[in-house]
Amino acid sequence: DVKVTQSSRYLVKRTGEKVFLECVQDMDHENMFWYRQDPGLGLRLIYFSYDVKMKEKGDIPEGYSVSREKKERFSLILESASTNQTSMYLCASNRRIQETQYFGPGTRLLVL
Amino acid sequence: GESVGLHLPTLSVQEGDNSIINCAYSNSASDYFIWYKQESGKGPQFIIDIRSNMDKRQGQRVTVLLNKTVKHLSLQIAATQPGDSAVYFCAETNYGGSQGNLIFGKGTKLSVKP
Repeated sequence: DVKVTQSSRYLVKRTGEKVFLECVQDMDHENMFWYRQDPGLGLRLIYFSYDVKMKEKGDIPEGYSVSREKKERFSLILESASTNQTSMYLCASNRRIQETQYFGPGTRLLVL
Repeated sequence: GESVGLHLPTLSVQEGDNSIINCAYSNSASDYFIWYKQESGKGPQFIIDIRSNMDKRQGQRVTVLLNKTVKHLSLQIAATQPGDSAVYFCAETNYGGSQGNLIFGKGTKLSVKP
């Protein structure tokens, strides 16, 4: 079975802090994705990566950056957290870009 | 169906009944569709998929129906159980295209009454 893990289930941070969210997948998938999920807005794509050291902006990249130094690991970085970044963050991966994405359990981030 | 605004559409069914969850997709070029289940506090979980060369696909207790003419997708759950309570959402993509991440619907909340 595909396994996607995220470093934290819950995080509480203060405004202005730098926040790192880590995601690891164990299926040698080429592609990895970061979404945020908010009530009424569904899943919104922040960034994705086709390969190591490659990244592409999604629909809402502002305020975020990413890092993919190893194939299995994709990090989401909030350079200076703001209260409007309070959300559920979901990581996903897949083998081919148009195929089913497999999701991690999510990180619920609260920015105070 | 798809949600508008802050509140998800909710389907409430009795345990043991069949459930039908609908999804209207947006892109006539989409040729691959997926249903996900998301339980409270968890990440979405793959349920079943279907390609556009099919109009029906069955899994264990679930059936997906695809009507390309009206761009409509449905998920049928047989003998609904309390463990089926979750938010269900569809996703579409153009599998044969050169690009195309998944496009997700906003979901329908299924509530199963014991």
